[in-house]
Parts: sequence; C-alpha cells; structure tokens
Amino acid sequence: SYDLTQPPSVSVSPGQTARITCSGDALSQQYAYWYHQKPGQAPILVIYKDTKRPSGIPERFSGSSSGTTVTLTISGVQAEDEADYYCQLADSSGTYRVFGGGTKLTV
Amino acid sequence: EVELLESGGGLVQPGGSLRLSCAASGFTFSSYAMSWVRQAPGKGLEWVSSISGSGGRTYYADSVKGRFTISRDNSKKTLYVQMNSLRAEDTAVYYCAKDFGDYGDSYPNYSMDVWGQGTTVTVSS
Repeated sequence: SYDLTQPPSVSVSPGQTARITCSGDALSQQYAYWYHQKPGQAPILVIYKDTKRPSGIPERFSGSSSGTTVTLTISGVQAEDEADYYCQLADSSGTYRVFGGGTKLTV
Repeated sequence: EVELLESGGGLVQPGGSLRLSCAASGFTFSSYAMSWVRQAPGKGLEWVSSISGSGGRTYYADSVKGRFTISRDNSKKTLYVQMNSLRAEDTAVYYCAKDFGDYGDSYPNYSMDVWGQGTTVTVSS
C-alpha cells in the first residue's frame, strides 16, 4: 500500500521545535520527500531522500526516518514557517507517486 | 534562473477537453523528467502524471489514466498535458514541476524541486 498518513494539524509557539510525521508501509522501503506550501503559492521542496536538504532551505529543517514513519523536524520555528506540509513518496521505479494528506502547521 | 510557466487553464464543460502547456527556462530541459500535480479547491496535492527527459516513458495516476496524455517538446522546452473527457472532479489548480533528476539515473530522486505557479482548470456546465 502506498497510502501516507499525516496529522491534519500541528501547532507550536515561535522558537519551539515542530515535528510532523508521515506514516505508511511503503516508507520502510522507499524514500520520502517533504514540501511546504503557503496559501496561494506553489509547493517548495524542503527535504528529499528522507534527510537531505536542497540548497537554499534553512538548516532548521531536517528529516528522519524510522521504519514506516518519517518525520520532518523544524527547529526554532519562525512565523514564516506557518504553512501546509506534505510528504510524498514514489515506488522504486518512479512509475507511481503519492502525497500524504497534508499537515497544517500553525505558529 | 529556473522558471516554469503554465498556461491553458480555463472553464470547460463536463466531457470536454483542454490542453495545458508549461514553458521552461533556465535549465537543460531534456535532461530532467517533468511532472504534473494538481490541487482541488481546499484539498491536498495529487500527483497526476510524469514523463522522462526524452519523453519515452510516461506514467499516470489511476484517476486520469486513459483520459490524460502527457507529452513534451524538448526543442521548444515545453511540457504538455492533453486532458479529455473532463469531469467535475478534475477541477483544480494544475502545477507543472521539474523533477530532481530523470528516469534511469544511477541514484533516482523522484522529488520535484521546481514548481510553476499553476493554472486553474474548472470543469462545470
């Protein structure tokens, strides 16, 4: 199954650490990718291959993986981090991709 | 600067057709797979389709298979999706996205690292 489950919402105060989880059986075998999206804007890739950060993404964004759950961690959350966050995976050949339902981060 | 600019969205009746385009600039277009992702009003992201850099491999979500056709013209640095037999549930903002790499890469990366601003498709009578 390629279903991905995310909590609908996470709320943190500025300066705290936010953790957003994504669960799914396929995550034990496939990489996860993370995006954030602010209202009216296109998504932005923040983590790829579970833990890697694209150039230009602040160091406060990090990813981890354990079994069938991956976690996006935002350390020292800032007001500008308030957005919807989506996890995504693909099958081993990239022939099928799926997004999680998204998590609204409120700061 | 890497840029993607979608066009072609609009209002179409159920059962109708529409072709979306995505003009790319700032990178070697033919070296990267490209994808379409959509977002229905107030909903999450849904992967629609992907195509390899050469255009030889195409993949579709079950929800659009048989109705949508993805293609690309590398000489024009443009990505397309032909949408036929449109349904109300196809109403969404459609984003064009550049893949991190290409199918067949030694170390595949099936994320999408650059996105356009989207074009809106409304299917309604």
